[in-house]
Amino acid sequence: GQQLNQSPQSMFIQEGEDVSMNCTSSSIFNTWLWYKQEPGEGPVLLIALYKAGELTSNGRLTAQFGITRKDSFLNISASIPSDVGIYFCAGIIQGAQKLVFGQGTRLTINP
Amino acid sequence: DTAVSQTPKYLVTQMGNDKSIKCEQNLGHDTMYWYKQDSKKFLKIMFSYNNKELIINETVPNRFSPKSPDKAHLNLHINSLELGDSAVYFCASATGFVYEQYFGPGTRLTVT
Repeated sequence: GQQLNQSPQSMFIQEGEDVSMNCTSSSIFNTWLWYKQEPGEGPVLLIALYKAGELTSNGRLTAQFGITRKDSFLNISASIPSDVGIYFCAGIIQGAQKLVFGQGTRLTINP
Repeated sequence: DTAVSQTPKYLVTQMGNDKSIKCEQNLGHDTMYWYKQDSKKFLKIMFSYNNKELIINETVPNRFSPKSPDKAHLNLHINSLELGDSAVYFCASATGFVYEQYFGPGTRLTVT
């Protein structure tokens, strides 16, 4: 069953605004990954996190591995039109060998 | 110089047919995966292979059979296609089991 809760499911923002989304679970994770998917394409890896408390940036994107190891967030600063897409969190549960994905956050930007 | 490639991009077929999707990666990774993405965009793992050996089989119907001729290729064969098989299928690869996975462009399968 679904083991990751990602929110919000969708966001409608103005260009230039900052964006924040998160994933939570009742399970402990060893790894958190954030992906972006554009229409007709496969998910593209944005950021990978491997340690509790880790904060990593990739340009205007910043992601953190929660201290409890049960959550992660992704922030996008100063959004631009090309940020449009579906953002997925994914994690590897402690002791498992597979990625589980969140439901995705669909980001729409009004210019 | 595509890292993970899949063919075909689109596949339209009738119920009951048998079809295959091919995947190749040139990243030198030793683990490959098949995922299914449903109409609500939910991604779920189906299979994982490491060095041509099946590692994960996520309660997928027996009609689905992955085959890995070498560690750079992982194909997916589907027998007796059903309407519910319509989805986008993604191949992915990684170094080892638990590291960053890189996805192909997907194959949109439509069963009529």
